[in-house]
Amino acid sequence: AQTVTQSQPEMSVQEAETVTLSCTYDTSESDYYLFWYKQPPSRQMILVIRQEAYKQQNATENRFSVNFQKAAKSFSLKISDSQLGDAAMYFCAYWVYNNNDMRFGAGTRLTVKP
Amino acid sequence: NAGVTQTPKFQVLKTGQSMTLQCAQDMNHEYMSWYRQDPGMGLRLIHYSVGAGITDQGEVPNGYNVSRSTTEDFPLRLLSAAPSQTSVYFCASTNREGLYGYTFGSGTRLTVV
Repeated sequence: AQTVTQSQPEMSVQEAETVTLSCTYDTSESDYYLFWYKQPPSRQMILVIRQEAYKQQNATENRFSVNFQKAAKSFSLKISDSQLGDAAMYFCAYWVYNNNDMRFGAGTRLTVKP
Repeated sequence: NAGVTQTPKFQVLKTGQSMTLQCAQDMNHEYMSWYRQDPGMGLRLIHYSVGAGITDQGEVPNGYNVSRSTTEDFPLRLLSAAPSQTSVYFCASTNREGLYGYTFGSGTRLTVV
């Protein structure tokens, strides 16, 4: 079975600085997607960034970027120029193409200090 | 606005009661799923569907039932509520390719006393 591990239950960053959230996964599949979701106190799940496993280039969305290491099965999220609004739970998720079974990590709670 | 509509937002049940959490999407997504979120455990898959008339069990299906009579609707039934089912429940949907991940409902906070 696929598993997703987020080894940092909590992280803290100073406003305007950079923070990296870690995620590893275990799979025997070769074709899959990886996602980072943000969950603010409102409880709404918001897609932050996605990565297709067949693409070697790391995905970037404004201040958010990933470091995707397929051989190591690692998918970390880097948040640059952190803002107070980035404070939230962040979930890493793995999804096999054409198979409705998305697996989530346990989450990392990010605190942003002013 | 297009999206996933989930009701109710909050619910308190007594042990042994039954109820249905409603979920509807208007994006013509083939795939729909139900997750529960518990502290320190992330989101765990309860049941999922790949199309109307087709459902399957996820990671934690016991005590829950689903049906998918239409593409739009995917209700989750709690057959006999137990305190262990106290959780936040999310419904989510995506198209078959899943390229953009799930669209989530706003969640239901369920307390079983």
